[in-house]
Amino acid sequence: AAGVIQSPRHLIKEKRETATLKCYPIPRHDTVYWYQQGPGQDPQFLISFYEKMQSDKGSIPDRFSAQQFSDYHSELNMSSLELGDSALYFCASSLGYLDTNGYTFGSGTRLTVV
Amino acid sequence: LAKTTQPISMDSYEGQEVNITCSHNNIATNDYITWYQQFPSQGPRFIIQGYKTKVTNEVASLFIPADRKSSTLSLPRVSLSDTAVYYCLLNQAGTALIFGKGTTLSVSS
Repeated sequence: AAGVIQSPRHLIKEKRETATLKCYPIPRHDTVYWYQQGPGQDPQFLISFYEKMQSDKGSIPDRFSAQQFSDYHSELNMSSLELGDSALYFCASSLGYLDTNGYTFGSGTRLTVV
Repeated sequence: LAKTTQPISMDSYEGQEVNITCSHNNIATNDYITWYQQFPSQGPRFIIQGYKTKVTNEVASLFIPADRKSSTLSLPRVSLSDTAVYYCLLNQAGTALIFGKGTTLSVSS
């Protein structure tokens, strides 16, 4: 079965650089979520999109932005990177917020800021 | 303010049944209770979701009392591969899942 595809799997950036993370949801899923998980931390919700419109917002820094495109893929743009942004970034997708099959998470992008 | 409260850690042995209880005293009428499993460096994986009474699937059962202020995830006959973090979450339409502190389950042989 198709899964949520995230790219790249690993990314190394220097402080103050920018990074773009991509997410390709499961076909027909209309809702996409972004989560950040620091070392030893629980996943923190950043932002979500429903039918290409931003629908819920969590603790996303102002330096980050995201969008969902016409083909439903989503991108998380991160600027002025800081050491503290080093984390695993997960994308998830679902059919609506109350999908009886839950959210399907991707394998994540490991971002390291040096 | 945490919406759910669950034990920080639990230990078990292979072949035993494990029950993880979650408290959600302020659950809203339109909240569903959902559980996820997460292995290190992997994305969380959906286990089960319910609204009231009992829900069972091929991997777990979820017990929800009438007042819905708590719920219990039951894992039958755990194996070493069930060692993971388990999250209890409240899910409602229009809002994303918010992860709190999960329960680290350690299964030994």
